Amino acid sequence: DIQMTQSPSTLSASVGDRVTITCRASQYISSWLAWYQQKPGKAPKLLIFKASSLESGVPSRFSGSGSGTEFTLTISSLQPDDFATYYCLQDSAYPWTFGQGTKVEF
Amino acid sequence: EVQLVQSGAEVKKPGESLKISCKGSGYSFTSYWIAWVRQMPGKGLECMGIIYPGDSNTRYSPSFQGRVTISADKSISTAYLQWGSLEASDTAMYYCARRTSAMDVWGQGTTVTVSS
Repeated sequence: DIQMTQSPSTLSASVGDRVTITCRASQYISSWLAWYQQKPGKAPKLLIFKASSLESGVPSRFSGSGSGTEFTLTISSLQPDDFATYYCLQDSAYPWTFGQGTKVEF
Repeated sequence: EVQLVQSGAEVKKPGESLKISCKGSGYSFTSYWIAWVRQMPGKGLECMGIIYPGDSNTRYSPSFQGRVTISADKSISTAYLQWGSLEASDTAMYYCARRTSAMDVWGQGTTVTVSS
């Protein structure tokens, strides 16, 4: 199975901060990497697919980069609505696997 | 509107069986994989298995192989996740999700509580 190592597990930030979350794959996954945002009691929401493509309706302050084994999610200016938990997901090879999650907190 | 609507919350006893559902609408249900994702209380997301409703091709993650069964009835655009004998450790939120270029549409989740 492909292991996804996400860091950090927790991130303390303030409104307006630039935030970066990293995911590392244990094997080459090309660009088959997605990023999700999850708030308590809600289903995950797709932010970025194919490493760098912004899902329709997602604010442009979210961006993704990387390919191969190293990937990054960046929030350019953190907004109050962005305090949540973020997950990466590789769907290059089955079983699809998620990172452990990053909780962005105040 | 593209939607996945899941069945309601369940409370079961250890050893009981259970089948939960995920009904798709607003798109061609047979054309995209459906994934089932588990989230245990306070924990992260785990992909349990996937099914292609067009031909019922199914794959399971090793951790869930033999513990659950995934199926689909394309005539009613519904996917299912079932257990033959529940354990307390099956207590979790279960999501279904459609996969196009990623898992882009998610159901609202079904809470399963297993307690004696």
